[in-house]
Amino acid sequence: DSGVTQTPKHLITATGQRVTLRCSPRSGDLSVYWYQQSLDQGLQFLIQYYNGEERAKGNILERFSAQQFPDLHSELNLSSLELGDSALYFCASSVLGSSSEQFFGPGTRLTVL
Amino acid sequence: QKEVEQDPGPLSVPEGAIVSLNCTYSNSAFQYFMWYRQYSRKGPELLMYTYSSGNKEDGRFTAQVDKSSKYISLFIRDSQPSDSATYLCAMIPITQGGSEKLVFGKGTKLTVNP
Repeated sequence: DSGVTQTPKHLITATGQRVTLRCSPRSGDLSVYWYQQSLDQGLQFLIQYYNGEERAKGNILERFSAQQFPDLHSELNLSSLELGDSALYFCASSVLGSSSEQFFGPGTRLTVL
Repeated sequence: QKEVEQDPGPLSVPEGAIVSLNCTYSNSAFQYFMWYRQYSRKGPELLMYTYSSGNKEDGRFTAQVDKSSKYISLFIRDSQPSDSATYLCAMIPITQGGSEKLVFGKGTKLTVNP
């Protein structure tokens, strides 16, 4: 158990809908990362937050957005969902500045029908 | 050319074999190197982390980095059926702004047969 929690475990929804994925980092970790894993693309970095502020953006679509709250949990919002958005979404956390070790949560499996 | 190349396998070995997993990279900015293990439908689990050229050992696992050749390896000694998983190499580039986003290889699927 990495100490990173993600909810829900599974999400099944329809095209055009909007969903929210939630992540709680390990105790003491200030940095949260979101990754998308699909069969053809592998694990792709989406976005990073550090202590409530956006730190870096990767291959994140404009339909996707994220935020980190004062209690350091993070949410990833996916809107206008398409079939191709079906994937595993992972959250990771780390203590930025003292370690580059990122610890991953169990993931949310999103299925768009 | 992808930033990180990793042979997807699959790789099948008998129990007790020495396993060698490899990744090559093209971006000289990569300075931190990691190996993750991912069991089916689970989150990646950090196995090894290193930032310098040379070898780092942890139990049955040895991580090797050759920055001059842009090549990293993970060796598993006395492999066990429980080692059956997908192994992902990952790297962090040094960038302005201090972002620590991981860039992953596609992963190598390993099966260790009893």
